[in-house]
Amino acid sequence: KNEVEQSPQNLTAQEGEFITINCSYSVGISALHWLQQHPGGGIVSLFMLSSGKKKHGRLIATINIQEKHSSLHITASHPRDSAVYICAARDSGSRLTFGEGTQLTVNP
Amino acid sequence: GAGVSQTPSNKVTEKGKYVELRCDPISGHTALYWYRQSLGQGPEFLIYFQGTGAADDSGLPNDRFFAVRPEGSVSTLKIQRTERGDSAVYLCASSPIGTGELFFGEGSRLTVL
Repeated sequence: KNEVEQSPQNLTAQEGEFITINCSYSVGISALHWLQQHPGGGIVSLFMLSSGKKKHGRLIATINIQEKHSSLHITASHPRDSAVYICAARDSGSRLTFGEGTQLTVNP
Repeated sequence: GAGVSQTPSNKVTEKGKYVELRCDPISGHTALYWYRQSLGQGPEFLIYFQGTGAADDSGLPNDRFFAVRPEGSVSTLKIQRTERGDSAVYLCASSPIGTGELFFGEGSRLTVL
């Protein structure tokens, strides 16, 4: 069992839909990262959070430490949001354990 | 440049050859990470530097892999006697002290024939 699990693995949505990607982890963490990876490999850090909720534009990330669960939400999705979204759990020593990623496709 | 720079962007080599991959982090970032990403999978941790020293090298798969960061800036990942299973994208990320925020390079795609 992977220490960090994401669901769904693949997600197809229509433009404008509200999207949720889930991440569960079994390890103790100091922080959880949400990353975006576009075709070609470049990774961009979206959020780093250790509690509560963060918002940036149409993106919202939440974390529940007790339940060891985090969600990434995208409001008013757009085709340019199409990418792989990866959650990664950071331990106390700064080591990251990554989920397998969620491939999101937003159709116009 | 302003971002994390990795060279080469693509490297094709033959089984058994030696390969070096370079990472030039954002200036002033003390933490530097190497990850490996195989096709269709999430990245996996290889090694983490804090300054010049390897704070955690437990992700290096075997003794064919070695990484250095002699002056606390540029890092080189070295792979000896490459095998076809080493084919992957090797990602580097750096982080400023105290924040934990990650800045990734574009990766070096290694293909071992």
